[in-house]
Amino acid sequence: IAGITQAPTSQILAAGRRMTLRCTQDMRHNAMYWYRQDLGLGLRLIHYSNTAGTTGKGEVPDGYSVSRANTDDFPLTLASAVPSQTSVYFCASSELSGSSTDTQYFGPGTRLTVL
Amino acid sequence: GQNIDQPTEMTATEGAIVQINCTYQTSGFNGLFWYQQHAGEAPTFLSYNVLDGLEEKGRFSSFLSRSKGYSYLLLKELQMKDSASYLCAPMDSNYQLIWGAGTKLIIKP
Repeated sequence: IAGITQAPTSQILAAGRRMTLRCTQDMRHNAMYWYRQDLGLGLRLIHYSNTAGTTGKGEVPDGYSVSRANTDDFPLTLASAVPSQTSVYFCASSELSGSSTDTQYFGPGTRLTVL
Repeated sequence: GQNIDQPTEMTATEGAIVQINCTYQTSGFNGLFWYQQHAGEAPTFLSYNVLDGLEEKGRFSSFLSRSKGYSYLLLKELQMKDSASYLCAPMDSNYQLIWGAGTKLIIKP
């Protein structure tokens, strides 16, 4: 593994189903982030984690949950998917949250369609 | 509130120079990032400014004026591969990035 990986690459999901998007990084970065990107809008932060064992809510957290059991993994779960959650989801990581020089590096994204 | 303003789309000619402007309003300020995003791909880091002035990195340069809440990305000697969206992202007082919708740059031969 090099950098950040996400799985699946794409998924079509029936409304009401539960879904977990996976994200793994091998850079030993402390901070990890989940964003969604919709056409015509900027990236919007869903949840973040400054270090293993801690998580925080971003701009659009409703309907999503995360966990950070270790440094490398940061899964995003949709408990009961709805069509408005159709989007492209990006996971990102950075070496040290809370620093003004902290650059975020992105995974390749997961394209999710909820019908 | 927090707000980012960038042009939605710009067109330029191969070999030319283009300037993409970004104005922002954030709760506090801890620097500004520019990212490039090709269609269907993830954003990739281009540049970072925290002090006023110009930062040059090869064909790309980025400028910041903190007092005016203004930044621009300057791309020289444009190549077809520069066709992409360019995302302006200032960092607020909580060290969170606030993302603009991006400027889609179309390069014509």
